[in-house]
Amino acid sequence: QVQLVESGGGVAHPGRSLRLSCAASGFTFTNYPINWVRQSPGKGLEWVAVISYDGSQEFYADSVKGRFTISRDNFKSMVYLQMNSLRAEDTAVYYCARGLTPHDSSTPFDYWGQGTLVTVSS
Amino acid sequence: EIVLTQSPATLSLSPGERATLSCRASQSIRTYLAWYQQKPGQAPRLLIYDASKRATGIPARFSGSGSGTDFTLTISNLESEDFAFYYCQQRNYWPPNFTFGPGTKVDIK
Repeated sequence: QVQLVESGGGVAHPGRSLRLSCAASGFTFTNYPINWVRQSPGKGLEWVAVISYDGSQEFYADSVKGRFTISRDNFKSMVYLQMNSLRAEDTAVYYCARGLTPHDSSTPFDYWGQGTLVTVSS
Repeated sequence: EIVLTQSPATLSLSPGERATLSCRASQSIRTYLAWYQQKPGQAPRLLIYDASKRATGIPARFSGSGSGTDFTLTISNLESEDFAFYYCQQRNYWPPNFTFGPGTKVDIK
């Protein structure tokens, strides 16, 4: 069965960095785009970034552009989110989520991980 | 930037009743709209995509309709497990970009 498992969350000081990982299994990883979506405590959902199935294209929300970088390793079935220059407003549960349609980065998200909590605080 | 608004913010209903949730876009998004269900402590679950297509494994009591700027999620016969938050999401085809509505909470009356 399709599984996505996030890791790497924790507490970071403002201005510092953190790297999240998403381990995928149960499907042909190299065919699907992967997204990161976050949810601040008690708040709604915010899309963060998507990486194309082959890793050749990345797209970001304006709120993280220039600070966050999404990448993938298709040999290891892993996706990463490098978060630099962290701010208090980046505090959230971060989910990785698979795009519904193979090879289409603009597609909704059909499988989600359980999330990993990032807290940015001094 | 396309903004999504959802109404009502909270919907209080009893099991067996019909739920009608609304999502409105600030400009036309054709049928590029999805609906998700989220329960406390869980990840969202895709219910409907492209405005009216049910995702795999979603019961037939969930249906979506609409196009352009006005969309509706209908749950025809509420079951106990349907009490949750519901979010709509629009997608911009190119470049890829997604925004979510603020959500509707469906709770037990």
